Formats: sequence, C-alpha cells, structure tokens
Amino acid sequence: DQQVKQNSPSLSVQEGRISILNCDYTNSMFDYFLWYKKYPAEGPTFLISISSIKDKNEDGRFTVFLNKSAKHLSLHIVPSQPGDSAVYFCAATTSGAGSYQLTFGKGTKLSVIP
Amino acid sequence: DAGVIQSPRHEVTEMGQEVTLRCKPISGHNSLFWYRQTMMRGLELLIYFNNNVPIDDSGMPEDRFSAKMPNASFSTLKIQPSEPRDSAVYFCASSWTGTPYEQYFGPGTRLTVT
Repeated sequence: DQQVKQNSPSLSVQEGRISILNCDYTNSMFDYFLWYKKYPAEGPTFLISISSIKDKNEDGRFTVFLNKSAKHLSLHIVPSQPGDSAVYFCAATTSGAGSYQLTFGKGTKLSVIP
Repeated sequence: DAGVIQSPRHEVTEMGQEVTLRCKPISGHNSLFWYRQTMMRGLELLIYFNNNVPIDDSGMPEDRFSAKMPNASFSTLKIQPSEPRDSAVYFCASSWTGTPYEQYFGPGTRLTVT
C-alpha cells in the first residue's frame, strides 16, 4: 500500500513558466514532508521541507504548500529553468516517532523546455 | 567535504554469488541509511543505523540481506546468495542529529544479477 503517491509520472513545462508538482499521502500520522530532486546517475538531493504546523514554506524559486485536510502537498517552481529538469520525489515522516525513516513517492520527472 | 561515497558504482554478478556494497558517510553524520530503488517499488528504505547501531531493519527483504556498520565511517550491505530480482540501484545516505530528515545520498550502486 503506497502511503505517499505522486500520480503524475512526468511533467513538461516551458522555461520561465511555473512548474507544479503534486503529492498525496494517506497516513494521517505524517507530520513532516520533504522534496528531493534527482539527476540521472546521481543520488537524490534535499530541496525543501515543511512541517505540518505550517501551510507554506518558501526558499527562493521553490515553494511547498501543505493542505492537511486534503492530505496533499505541492511544490511550485517559479520561474522554471532548464536546470530544474530532474526527477522530484516527495517524502514524508512522523517526526515524533523516534524513527528517522522517510517514506518516498515514486517521483515525477520534470522536463523544462527552453 | 567529499559527500557520501559508495562503491562499486556498478556491479554485475551471476545468480548465487555474494555481493557486497560499501558506503562511507559524511564525516560527522551519525545516521546512515540504505535504500533500494526499483521501477516497481520506487525508493524504499532497507535499514538504518544511528550511532553505528541498527535501529530499523524492517525493510530488509529477507535473510539473504545483511548490513553492518563497524564504525562511524564505514558500512556494508551484503546479499548472499544474490538473485535476479535483487537487481536495482542501491543508495546509501547519511544525516546528522540536528536535521535527521535532510539526508545526503551517495551516487548509488547499480546492481545487475544475471
């Protein structure tokens, strides 16, 4: 049973436009969420995170929104750049459980077209 | 810093052979994670260590898999005997107590079992 779902395997966006990547989760115990970015032949790299006490976190061109009632989060990239082309993974965890385990979605491949 | 180092980067072996994957975490990090990535299951946690002690090995698929962390700068993941279904990319990641969920991934080992 997938607890973290990224329903769009791929997304294409024009350079300069907004990219919106979506993620849904089913486990109501999750209270901390992260986005990782992965280039081919490299490991994932941490991008941005959000705690369930917030509904928005911003870092430069990247903003993550959290809708707890819908169990949904999204990553917005504005403006999109060709270097943003990568696979983006959503991850979730229960921060007070004494475990550092992350549950990952299967990823969305973003292609930014120049 | 050199980042998380994994070796080998690629491994091709025959069914039934023993395979050993190696990882050197970032200096100063006290948590180490082994992940496996496949098309079917995505990125899944196999086991993680905190201060060299295995904390959660519930993701280890079966007794053929074992992991050790003899000291803070080295860990191994061993598969014996290997099977074709073990073919995947294996990632090692590390983090430190201050930001345990911001995990730094190595480049991965692509394992092919024929």
